[in-house]
Parts: sequence; C-alpha cells; structure tokens
Amino acid sequence: QKEVEQNSGPLSVPEGAIASLNCTYSDRGSQSFFWYRQYSGKSPELIMSIYSNGDKEDGRFTAQLNKASQYVSLLIRDSQPSDSATYLCAVGHDMRFGAGTRLTVKP
Amino acid sequence: ETGVTQSPTHLIKTRGQQVTLRCSSQSGHNTVSWYQQALGQGPQFIFQYYREEENGRGNFPPRFSGLQFPNYSSELNVNALELDDSALYLCASSRRDYPHQETQYFGPGTRLLVL
Repeated sequence: QKEVEQNSGPLSVPEGAIASLNCTYSDRGSQSFFWYRQYSGKSPELIMSIYSNGDKEDGRFTAQLNKASQYVSLLIRDSQPSDSATYLCAVGHDMRFGAGTRLTVKP
Repeated sequence: ETGVTQSPTHLIKTRGQQVTLRCSSQSGHNTVSWYQQALGQGPQFIFQYYREEENGRGNFPPRFSGLQFPNYSSELNVNALELDDSALYLCASSRRDYPHQETQYFGPGTRLLVL
C-alpha cells in the first residue's frame, strides 16, 4: 500500500462545476496535510494546509480532513479553465506526496 | 514567488558523473527538504535538513547526500549518476519549531538529464 494515494485521473469537469479531489494516507499519526497545484513544467504551489478534522475554506477552495478515515479531500467550486493542473496531496512533516490528480476544466 | 531559489535551472550529465544542486531558503526558514520528481509522478521525498542536521530520509541510496549550511541554504549531491536519476529536483523550505510544522514552499527546481 502506498503511503499517500490519489486517483491519477484525468478528471474532467465543465467550467463552473465543482471539482472533487480525494486523497487517502496510511500513517495514522500524520498531523499535517497539504494540497498543492502544479502546472506543467512548474514547481508545486501551495493551495491549502489543514491540520484539524473538518472543513477549511479559502475562496473557491475547501479542504476536508477526516483523520479517523485517513482521508483528505479538496473541493474546487466554480471551476475555471485556469484551474487545469495536477493537484498533489502531501501528508506529514516530511510531506509524503501522492502521485497527483490531473484536472482539466473545459470551457 | 516563494523566495526559494535553486541553481542551476537545467543540467546535463553523463552516467557515472557527480552533480551538486543548490538551494537558498526563504528568509527566516530553518528547514530544507529535497524531492525528486520523475515525469508524470509526484515528488518523492529524498531527505530533510533541520538546523544543519539530517532530519528524515526517504528511500534513496547513500549516493544521494546533502548539506545544510549555517545560513540554512542547502546542497544536494548525487554520486555515480544513473540514467534513472533524470528528473526534476525540488527544494522546499519552511520554518519548523517543534511540534509545529509550517508549510513548505518550493523553489523552481533543477531539471537534471543523465545521458
């Protein structure tokens, strides 16, 4: 079992829809969780961090964490073509990454 | 811009050679992590340095080594390069004061090609 698992996608949604990205992790002791966005040929850029169970909202983005289920998700509301990128989930102080989910938002 | 810089941006080496990659942390950060990202994959954790000491290591062989300097800049050294070492090498810096782990910010990366 991989430490951090994400659906590789690609995930395709129409412009204006909600995109839902999921991530599961194996280390039950993990305390910190991050979502990064990576455009092709660029380095990852932070979208959100979350440390406590529940939801955390920042603009169009909502991160959801459920430590009991070892599950973290990212919702993108009102998706825009500029959101098309690979979304990386990272877990723990040394940030173990999943393989990423490629999202395409179609105009 | 994250304030994290890396050099060089691109590098071509041949199998068996050695390479040194450099990273300058964001001001105020005391932790540096290095990642290898192969094409189409997520970043793979190589190791982390906290206040000049190695503070965790991923599943990489000893020919991957590193240093962190008193100004918290860092180097990644790879000896006896192999073709599979071709990848984007990412450096990320953060401020870490136990038990809290603050967010890591990535540099632009160094793209290494081994021929």
